[in-house]
Amino acid sequence: EAQVTQNPRYLITVTGKKLTVTCSQNMNHEYMSWYRQDPGLGLRQIYYSMNVEVTDKGDVPEGYKVSRKEKRNFPLILESPSPNQTSLYFCASSLDGFGLAVADTQYFGPGTRLTVL
Amino acid sequence: GENVEQHPSTLSVQEGDSAVIKCTYSDSASNYFPWYKQELGKGPQLIIDIRSNVGEKKDQRIAVTLNKTAKHFSLHITETQPEDSAVYFCAATHRGAGGTSYGKLTFGQGTILTVHP
Repeated sequence: EAQVTQNPRYLITVTGKKLTVTCSQNMNHEYMSWYRQDPGLGLRQIYYSMNVEVTDKGDVPEGYKVSRKEKRNFPLILESPSPNQTSLYFCASSLDGFGLAVADTQYFGPGTRLTVL
Repeated sequence: GENVEQHPSTLSVQEGDSAVIKCTYSDSASNYFPWYKQELGKGPQLIIDIRSNVGEKKDQRIAVTLNKTAKHFSLHITETQPEDSAVYFCAATHRGAGGTSYGKLTFGQGTILTVHP
């Protein structure tokens, strides 16, 4: 089954304790992206990756790191989490990004609810 | 950067009525406008999209219109059904410097649609 998986689905942690949220897709997609969802703010893009070893900042990259060492995985790293990073996080992937001649569907994972105390 | 405003934030309709959600964007270089539906506890799912070279697109009960001059686009759902109840997000691409980046995506704040039987 074609899907985007995220782990963990729920996480409660404390300020300053490094954590990693994993994201994996099995569709051989080149494009992957991370978003955070907060009430009243919609989804905001954190980082995206157009291909292996190619990453770029979205609208809210501060406090986050990513890496893309292999096509299927795109982990989100919080080196020193703070309470303002409490949010619902989504990973997504698509064949080749946006704006191309051929319409491309972005598939989202189920989400990771993170609470930083 | 790109800014997308979405209205209304909540919309309540009776089954069988039509629902309209409107979005405005700020970056005239944006060329791709997807709409996503998010059901409770799930990640967003693409339901329809439109590119800047098209003024309207339909898919059964769903249609999207785009006015490039006014920089706004709308989602129209006809003959609404209770299963249409969800959160709907509009989004727009945000080209990077030089117009070559196709990875950035800016979302609206979301609309909670409730369809009453």
